[in-house]
Amino acid sequence: EPEVTQTPSHQVTQMGQEVILRCVPISNHLYFYWYRQILGQKVEFLVSFYNNEISEKSEIFDDQFSVERPDGSNFTLKIRSTKLEDSAMYFCASSVRQEGEQYFGPGTRLTVT
Amino acid sequence: QKEVEQNSGPLSVPEGAIASLNCTYSDRGSQSFFWYRQYSGKSPELIMFIYSNGDKEDGRFTAQLNKASQYVSLLIRDSQPSDSATYLCAVGRAGKSTFGDGTTLTVKP
Repeated sequence: EPEVTQTPSHQVTQMGQEVILRCVPISNHLYFYWYRQILGQKVEFLVSFYNNEISEKSEIFDDQFSVERPDGSNFTLKIRSTKLEDSAMYFCASSVRQEGEQYFGPGTRLTVT
Repeated sequence: QKEVEQNSGPLSVPEGAIASLNCTYSDRGSQSFFWYRQYSGKSPELIMFIYSNGDKEDGRFTAQLNKASQYVSLLIRDSQPSDSATYLCAVGRAGKSTFGDGTTLTVKP
C-alpha cells in the first residue's frame, strides 16, 4: 500500500540554524500539507500546497517557513532560523483532491536546542 | 469556543463494548470530516471519513454526521485492547484540516 514517507525521523539543531524537512507524498496525490504537533498538544495545520503554489496557510506559517516541491516527488518544509518553540513533530500529508482524505507520514521530530 | 471540540477523556470501556466518541465543530462551511487514531509517539492514522449527513459503516467503525447540529461521532463496536489510543476528530474546509484535542480511549481486557 502506498504511503507518505518523511526524512529524517529525528533532527536536532541549534537555535538560529536552518532546517529542511523532507517528504515524499503518495505518488498520485496532488495536494500536499504540513502539520505540526507540539508534545502533548493537538495537531496544527501549517500549510497546504497544490500545483506548485501555497493554497492555504495558518498564522503559524510566518516568514521563517517556506515550502517547495523541488522535483516530481519531494515536498520540503524549510525553517530559516529555528527557535526553541519550533521543537515539535512535523507531519507531512497528501491527498488526491482538495477535500479528500489526507494520509499522514510518520513525522519528523525536530528538537531545537 | 474551540473550532473543533471533542468529548473530554479519558474514556474507558471493557473489551467487547461499544465506545462512543463525539465531536462538535464551529465552522458551518466545513465540508469534510475525518477520524484519526493516534498511538503514542506515532502519526495520525486515518480510520474513517464522511462527507454527507448520515451514517457510514466500515467494519467495526461507524461514523455519524449531522451538519445541522454541527456534530460528528465515531462508534467502535466490539472494542479491542488494540483500539486503545487517542482518537482525533478533524474537520476540513478548502483542504485545511482543523483538529480537536483528541479523546484517549482505553479498552480494558
